[in-house]
Amino acid sequence: AQTVTQSQPEMSVQDAETVTLSCTYDTSENNYYLFWYKQPPSRQMILVIRQEAYKQQNATENRFSVNFQKAAKSFSLKISDSQLGDTAMYFCAFMPGNTPLVFGKGTRLSVIA
Amino acid sequence: EPEVTQTPSHQVTQMGQEVILRCVPISNHLYFYWYRQILGQKVEFLVSFYNNEISEKSEIFDDQFSVERPDGSNFTLKIRSTKLEDSAMYFCASRGETSGGSWETQYFGPGTRLLVL
Repeated sequence: AQTVTQSQPEMSVQDAETVTLSCTYDTSENNYYLFWYKQPPSRQMILVIRQEAYKQQNATENRFSVNFQKAAKSFSLKISDSQLGDTAMYFCAFMPGNTPLVFGKGTRLSVIA
Repeated sequence: EPEVTQTPSHQVTQMGQEVILRCVPISNHLYFYWYRQILGQKVEFLVSFYNNEISEKSEIFDDQFSVERPDGSNFTLKIRSTKLEDSAMYFCASRGETSGGSWETQYFGPGTRLLVL
């Protein structure tokens, strides 16, 4: 079975600091996609960043970047210059081919002023 | 920017009643999904829909559930006889950009919060 593990249920960070959220996954597939979604208190699911497994270069989106280690099946999210608006649940998700997303249990991030 | 919309945003119903949750996916997308999230838990897949039929469904998606795309724009999830444990946030998502955008990324609607009493 394909699984996604987020080992940090909760994290906190001072504003303007950097934080890294971890995610590992298990699959026998070679081609797949990885995503981080943000879920603020409104509970809407907002795409933060995505990574294609066949690309070695780590994806970046402004203050958000990933460290994708395919051999280790690791996909961590780094948030630089954390802002109060980054406070949310963060879900790592994995999609092997044309299949539904498999989500991790999430990490609750609190940005502290 | 195109977005997925869902109605209603909140629904309260009595156990045993039927509910229909509605979604309007992004117009040029080809794949449609329903997920649910019980409060405090992770997001779980229910069903996917492609080419006017169910392409995949999870164990959660039993005979009480059905999906439909009645008119080429709406995508509905029906729960025939709701149970207490159906209380959750239900998310619709779509993907499959056909005009050069991101094919694999699923874009989520804002969700419908269903409460079964």
